[in-house]
Amino acid sequence: GAGVSQSPSNKVTEKGKDVELRCDPISGHTALYWYRQSLGQGLEFLIYFQGNSAPDKSGLPSDRFSAERTGGSVSTLTIQRTQQEDSAVYLCASSHHRGEAFFGQGTRLTVV
Amino acid sequence: GQNIDQPTEMTATEGAIVQINCTYQTSGFNGLFWYQQHAGEAPTFLSYNVLDGLEEKGRFSSFLSRSKGYSYLLLKELQMKDSASYLCAVRDTDSWGKLQFGAGTQVVVTP
Repeated sequence: GAGVSQSPSNKVTEKGKDVELRCDPISGHTALYWYRQSLGQGLEFLIYFQGNSAPDKSGLPSDRFSAERTGGSVSTLTIQRTQQEDSAVYLCASSHHRGEAFFGQGTRLTVV
Repeated sequence: GQNIDQPTEMTATEGAIVQINCTYQTSGFNGLFWYQQHAGEAPTFLSYNVLDGLEEKGRFSSFLSRSKGYSYLLLKELQMKDSASYLCAVRDTDSWGKLQFGAGTQVVVTP
């Protein structure tokens, strides 16, 4: 596609439920990032995929969070047993190995 | 690890110039990026510096000094639409080039 696509754009879920957020990166981009942004805050790094290398998961806040990237393309971020503090905008970005990152429009997650 | 610092907020008048500073302390360095983010929107790329010096792109310029761990973004001839958050990001040399962001500087342009 022309840009990074994320779905859904908005998600409201009940506390304790699992959610899956999807990211479709720009075709040919080897790097894919997940960030989280709470209202009025900066970007919090979550996880980074680069080609076939093992992902950098150092930013995942707890073991309730996981992500995978299938076939070097689409990525899914899964949050299990959601908590209210998980409410935020989840941003996905992709880039060539050393190029600038292009962001999707994000998924706004609200845990009620 | 990395530490990226930038001011929280700056206010300037339409038509004026504003300089947003960014200092970083990283275990490795492989480029510095500036992004603009309007409220409720995704960040968009503005500039990239990997060598020391000034990069100019229209009304926006970005400067880098690697020895000082310092960069600035210069916005000239400010327009109301420039009111946004400006994010400094550093790519490290570990972890195959992860991009780490500062907290962002909110620029408010007043008439």
